[in-house]
Amino acid sequence: EAQVTQNPRYLITVTGKKLTVTCSQNMNHEYMSWYRQDPGLGLRQIYYSMNVEVTDKGDVPEGYKVSRKEKRNFPLILESPSPNQTSLYFCASSFAGTNNEQFFGPGTRLTVL
Amino acid sequence: GNSVTQMEGPVTLSEEAFLTINCTYTATGYPSLFWYVQYPGEGLQLLLKATKADDKGSNKGFEATYRKETTSFHLEKGSVQVSDSAVYFCALRDPMNYGGSQGNLIFGKGTKLSVKP
Repeated sequence: EAQVTQNPRYLITVTGKKLTVTCSQNMNHEYMSWYRQDPGLGLRQIYYSMNVEVTDKGDVPEGYKVSRKEKRNFPLILESPSPNQTSLYFCASSFAGTNNEQFFGPGTRLTVL
Repeated sequence: GNSVTQMEGPVTLSEEAFLTINCTYTATGYPSLFWYVQYPGEGLQLLLKATKADDKGSNKGFEATYRKETTSFHLEKGSVQVSDSAVYFCALRDPMNYGGSQGNLIFGKGTKLSVKP
């Protein structure tokens, strides 16, 4: 089944404790992206990747890192999480090109205490 | 820069009522336009899309027409059901080669729809 998977689905952590949220897709998509969803703000892009070893900042990259060593994986790294990073995170992927729909993962709900 | 504006919610309707969710956009090129739906506790999934002016996207009884002259992509459904209760997001995808951000989706803030039996 074609899908985007994220792990973990739920995470409660404490300020400053490094964490990684994994994202994997099995559709051979070139493009991958991370978003955060907050009430009243909709979805905002954190980072995106056009292909392996090609990543770039989105609208709200501060406090996050990403890597794209393989085509299928695009982990999101929070080196030192803070409470303002408490949010619902979505990974998405697609083929390159403006006409192509993005496929979204199920989301990761992160709480930073 | 590119942006999407959609009507504020929440929207509450009775079953079988007519639905319109307004969406307008600002773009320098010729973007593709999308409606995504998010059911409670789930990720986003594509509802419909249109890739050029005057295209009509349709799916599950929902429709939206790409209106370049009014820069709009309003979502409509003739008769909503309780199962349509969800958050709806209008989005555009950057034209290629614009500002180096090829293919990024730009979302509106979402409109929550509640349908009562």
